[in-house]
Amino acid sequence: KNQVEQSPQSLIILEGKNCTLQCNYTVSPFSNLRWYKQDTGRGPVSLTIMTFSENTKSNGRYTATLDADTKQSSLHITASQLSDSASYICVVPTGANNLFFGTGTRLTVIP
Amino acid sequence: GAGVSQSPRYKVAKRGQDVALRCDPISGHVSLFWYQQALGQGPEFLTYFQNEAQLDKSGLPSDRFFAERPEGSVSTLKIQRTQQEDSAVYLCASSFRSFTGRPATNEKLFFGSGTQLSVL
Repeated sequence: KNQVEQSPQSLIILEGKNCTLQCNYTVSPFSNLRWYKQDTGRGPVSLTIMTFSENTKSNGRYTATLDADTKQSSLHITASQLSDSASYICVVPTGANNLFFGTGTRLTVIP
Repeated sequence: GAGVSQSPRYKVAKRGQDVALRCDPISGHVSLFWYQQALGQGPEFLTYFQNEAQLDKSGLPSDRFFAERPEGSVSTLKIQRTQQEDSAVYLCASSFRSFTGRPATNEKLFFGSGTQLSVL
């Protein structure tokens, strides 16, 4: 069964601290994994797309890792800012016209 | 426009009422998706269009849901005889290229802000 699971469900951190969000997937066949940021009341916005051969990819303060053997990905946020407060969603496309979305991690950054 | 536009932003409907949700994708985008997002959940696939062709409607929860994209640009999601369980945010997304088969690895999806539907 194709699934994408994320942890933790929610996270509260102090401004300036780092955090790591986890994603485990069982989607097959696998071609790429995407991380999206969704602000409250907005649609998801792409942060990064990682292919099978990529282990690490950075986008500013966001660094995503991928272990295709264990089917795990992480999103590391460095020096968090208040504007990082959002839901972070892990997404894995199937071989068809579909994407499997995780339920997301709700991150709250407090001053 | 610069992004994917959805309207209305909010819709309140009485149970049994029909509603129509509109999506204006980015100009020239071939692929268009509709997703349903319940509170606190990730988006769930409803249907996919490649230009005007509806290639996949496997995610539509019942025959009360109907989507169209007659000219390959604007799309409308129609829900007939709305029920309380239809209350959710309906997201539209588009991408430049086709998603048929394996998606291109650098193919981004651009999402609208969604329509929040509340059925009373």
